[in-house]
Amino acid sequence: EPEVTQTPSHQVTQMGQEVILRCVPISNHLYFYWYRQILGQKVEFLVSFYNNEISEKSEIFDDQFSVERPDGSNFTLKIRSTKLEDSAMYFCAIRGSNQPQHFGDGTRLSIL
Amino acid sequence: AQTVTQSQPEMSVQEAETVTLSCTYDTSESDYYLFWYKQPPSRQMILVIRQEAYKQQNATENRFSVNFQKAAKSFSLKISDSQLGDAAMYFCAYSPTGANSKLTFGKGITLSVRP
Repeated sequence: EPEVTQTPSHQVTQMGQEVILRCVPISNHLYFYWYRQILGQKVEFLVSFYNNEISEKSEIFDDQFSVERPDGSNFTLKIRSTKLEDSAMYFCAIRGSNQPQHFGDGTRLSIL
Repeated sequence: AQTVTQSQPEMSVQEAETVTLSCTYDTSESDYYLFWYKQPPSRQMILVIRQEAYKQQNATENRFSVNFQKAAKSFSLKISDSQLGDAAMYFCAYSPTGANSKLTFGKGITLSVRP
């Protein structure tokens, strides 16, 4: 039983459109993360989120990206105007205090 | 900045045999965590094992164990009694301690298991 559920499992979107990827933890966790994996490449950190605010972000996480946890449970990643190079697997990860990160099953994002 | 290097892109092992996957890393920190994650063809990311740098004892999880050499900044994964289900991509990862514990991953190694 995964500790975190991601939806959708696969999203196909036209270039320039907005997408929202969702992450729902099974139980309360303190820390939330988004990672990206372009096909055939390594997993890259995008952003970390703690206490309802961004704690760290990478160079990849530019102005077209945003995260929020609007209702205290769902944790979302929004890409405002998608580009072809945004096609990738997006993973949400969660952890509690002094615990390792556990990943969701990922959302495969395909930009046409 | 921290870096994680997995120099072997692929390895193969006979079923029931033992295989060791290599990983080196670079950091100026004295305390940190190291991980191995497994990614099967389904592309899930599954935690295999975690090592805390301040612990000298090597972590073990059933058939999986690590050889952690802090001075050499080396962190290899040993899989004993390899099974067909072990075939996957394996990623070595580093994270600092503290709140901003983002993971830095290596490029991964593809492990195949021969029946």
